[in-house]
Amino acid sequence: NAGVMQNPRHLVRRRGQEARLRCSPVKGHSHVYWYRQLPEEGLKFMVYLQKENIIDESGMPKERFSAEFPKEGPSILRIQQVVRGDSAAYFCASSQGQGARGYTFGSGTRLTVV
Amino acid sequence: GIQVEQSPPDLILQEGANSTLRCNFSDSVNNLQWFHQNPWGQLINLFYIPSGTKQNGRLSATTVATERYSLLYISSSQTTDSGVYFCAVEGAASNTGKLIFGQGTTLQVKP
Repeated sequence: NAGVMQNPRHLVRRRGQEARLRCSPVKGHSHVYWYRQLPEEGLKFMVYLQKENIIDESGMPKERFSAEFPKEGPSILRIQQVVRGDSAAYFCASSQGQGARGYTFGSGTRLTVV
Repeated sequence: GIQVEQSPPDLILQEGANSTLRCNFSDSVNNLQWFHQNPWGQLINLFYIPSGTKQNGRLSATTVATERYSLLYISSSQTTDSGVYFCAVEGAASNTGKLIFGQGTTLQVKP
């Protein structure tokens, strides 16, 4: 049983470029959560998605950030026109149903903006 | 929103020592979990413990929901226990599974 797969593990982008982070949930899981961990801080919730629907995006910055979880394929977190402050670890978690009890976290994508 | 505070922020132990990490939360919760983030950044789910006591090997956890705190006990610590320990809660008013994380306790176990 594969866990949550995130890729790439490390991503370097220059200021102004776009970053696309991918998350493949555990097989059979239809709920995906994205969290961001800034250096020396805890994880902060960004967005909760089900297949083809954004359920809660209360933690997403208002500009430049978007997320999707299409019917087929991985969930994508997209950051346009990256800035140095976007440098962080981005974690994805999936669960079978609503509620965090069955959470499985991926290994994260470490984004560095230079 | 719900606040989660962990203490101590940093802890240095000699191998073999025991420790207690604390998590206080400001409101009723549906869910409380403890995670270990190892030095490579991976997040490992240690316990799902909205109330009561659980044990897994050298680790155990207790949550007293009515008093809004949880404790993680590490006995006979080993160098592989080093890393950051996070407490995370889902507020009782939430129905989405969104977790609120504390700032973590950074543990260093010296040989």
